[in-house]
Amino acid sequence: GAGVSQSPRYKVAKRGQDVALRCDPISGHVSLFWYQQALGQGPEFLTYFQNEAQLDKSGLPSDRFFAERPEGSVSTLKIQRTQQEDSAVYLCASRSTGRDTEAFFGQGTRLTVV
Amino acid sequence: GDSVTQMEGPVTLSEEAFLTINCTYTATGYPSLFWYVQYPGEGLQLLLKATKADDKGSNKGFEATYRKETTSFHLEKGSVQVSDSAVYFCALLKAAGNKLTFGGGTRVLVKP
Repeated sequence: GAGVSQSPRYKVAKRGQDVALRCDPISGHVSLFWYQQALGQGPEFLTYFQNEAQLDKSGLPSDRFFAERPEGSVSTLKIQRTQQEDSAVYLCASRSTGRDTEAFFGQGTRLTVV
Repeated sequence: GDSVTQMEGPVTLSEEAFLTINCTYTATGYPSLFWYVQYPGEGLQLLLKATKADDKGSNKGFEATYRKETTSFHLEKGSVQVSDSAVYFCALLKAAGNKLTFGGGTRVLVKP
């Protein structure tokens, strides 16, 4: 596709519900990142994949958060037993080879936990 | 750990005014520095970057110079337009890392 695509764009979940957020990166991009952006703040790193390998998950806030990229393309961020503090915009970014190449961001999924 | 601090907004300007958004960073080594912009309803877009000290990044009339001595990367534009209204994020990428560390963002509103 032309850019990074995320779905759904908006998600309302009841507290305790599980959610799954999808990211379709730019075709051929090796690196994929997930960030969490709370209202009025900058994005915070969650996790990083190189192809299907999850090389860094140091930003995941708890074991309720889980990310996967089984075929090295589409990625899913799953949040189990959602809590109100999980409410945020979840951003996905992808990048081709080379750490100085530009990272392209999707429009994000806005998650509201009620 | 690494951090980026940028001036809080909102910054409200008239069209054709001069814009400066301050950004300072804390990091070991020699990170790469970035400015990203988020227009209303859109995703983050790279505005400009600099990869080493004294480099100047520029794009769309915006400029920022990587100042190692003051650990700063201030964003400037000489004459803003209404279309520059957006949220601007300063970010760093560590020399041996892959993840971006962002500042809190500065909302800029340009009035006609």
